[in-house]
Amino acid sequence: DADVTQTPRNRITKTGKRIMLECSQTKGHDRMYWYRQDPGLGLRLIYYSFDVKDINKGEISDGYSVSRQAQAKFSLSLESAIPNQTALYFCATQEGGRATDTQYFGPGTRLTVL
Amino acid sequence: GENVEQHPSTLSVQEGDSAVIKCTYSDSASNYFPWYKQELGKRPQLIIDIRSNVGEKKDQRIAVTLNKTAKHFSLHITETQPEDSAVYFCAASMGANSKLTFGKGITLSVRP
Repeated sequence: DADVTQTPRNRITKTGKRIMLECSQTKGHDRMYWYRQDPGLGLRLIYYSFDVKDINKGEISDGYSVSRQAQAKFSLSLESAIPNQTALYFCATQEGGRATDTQYFGPGTRLTVL
Repeated sequence: GENVEQHPSTLSVQEGDSAVIKCTYSDSASNYFPWYKQELGKRPQLIIDIRSNVGEKKDQRIAVTLNKTAKHFSLHITETQPEDSAVYFCAASMGANSKLTFGKGITLSVRP
């Protein structure tokens, strides 16, 4: 789905570095989410935002922060990366108003922390 | 909070056979249950969903059933094909202003 993009697609970094993952969408959706995917652990929610002024922690927010710069942009930061943050990160969008609407995922960012 | 579990974690079927993937949820207030499919190296995509006011929904070769009393729902795939090989995630939410909770995923392999 080209309407949700993530940059970079792959990133290798070192322990202690600050990293920002970016998500952009042209779907006009209010809601945006950040998940991480680890083998055998499924999709776990890091942060989510229901609109530009709204930021909420998910189940695994420690070590991460986010910024909702505009309706279309939602960035995830790792202030000081550590090896157990090595994972596949997905951004997702959802039309606002009802949680019953479909979530549209970006292509993912594969992050490796050495 | 909500807890969603999927069983089994892997499933292998012969092409043409049916596959059934089961999920259980913990919160009786959950009322929306989507299924996402993730092909190898791709992003998860919604394939079917069901709301708590219905017991079954079909879309061509796939169907989802919901048992609210037992708090479980299942994905049924008939006449499986190699392109059905993927990871399937179930999820649950409690409606408006509620986030989705995903299961850990099941890897379905369809043997040609």
